Amino acid sequence: DQQVKQNSPSLSVQEGRISILNCDYTNSMFDYFLWYKKYPAEGPTFLISISSIKDKNEDGRFTVFLNKSAKHLSLHIVPSQPGDSAVYFCAASEDSNYGQNFVFGPGTRLSVLP
Amino acid sequence: DGGITQSPKYLFRKEGQNVTLSCEQNLNHDAMYWYRQDPGQGLRLIYYSQIVNDFQKGDIAEGYSVSREKKESFPLTVTSAQKNPTAFYLCASSIRQGNEQYFGPGTRLTVT
Repeated sequence: DQQVKQNSPSLSVQEGRISILNCDYTNSMFDYFLWYKKYPAEGPTFLISISSIKDKNEDGRFTVFLNKSAKHLSLHIVPSQPGDSAVYFCAASEDSNYGQNFVFGPGTRLSVLP
Repeated sequence: DGGITQSPKYLFRKEGQNVTLSCEQNLNHDAMYWYRQDPGQGLRLIYYSQIVNDFQKGDIAEGYSVSREKKESFPLTVTSAQKNPTAFYLCASSIRQGNEQYFGPGTRLTVT
């Protein structure tokens, strides 16, 4: 049973518009979340994180929103650029202070069309 | 330049042979990890190590072995006991377990 779900395998967005990537989780003990971006044949690169004490974290064009009651987080990319085309993974862990491992979702492939 | 290196990028082996994938980091990170990625699936944890000379099984450790004799190095051996070894293997490290992980470029292993 997947604890971290990304129900959209793929998403296409026009350049300059907003991309919204969604992630749902089932384990209510998860309290620290990461987003990674991955190009083909490369390792994932860390994008942005959020802990459960916040409901929003922003870094440039990337904003992550966390809705704890819905066990849902989303990554917003504004404005989307063709270089953002990649697979995006969300990952969750339980109480990072005690060094729990991350559980990764299956990923969403984002295509930003020029 | 600090980072994580994995070699080789592509590896081909015959069924029944053991093969060792290299992972080195110069980030002075304590924790290191091995994942495999299969099409349509997220990253699945094979083994992890919180500190030198210590390692733990992840979710899919069967058919794999690791060692952590040096802080910088965490090689993964894919043994002949692994039923479906063909996959993309990713190594990662973090300052400590539970912190953001930084990934290497990956090794694509094909076993025929």
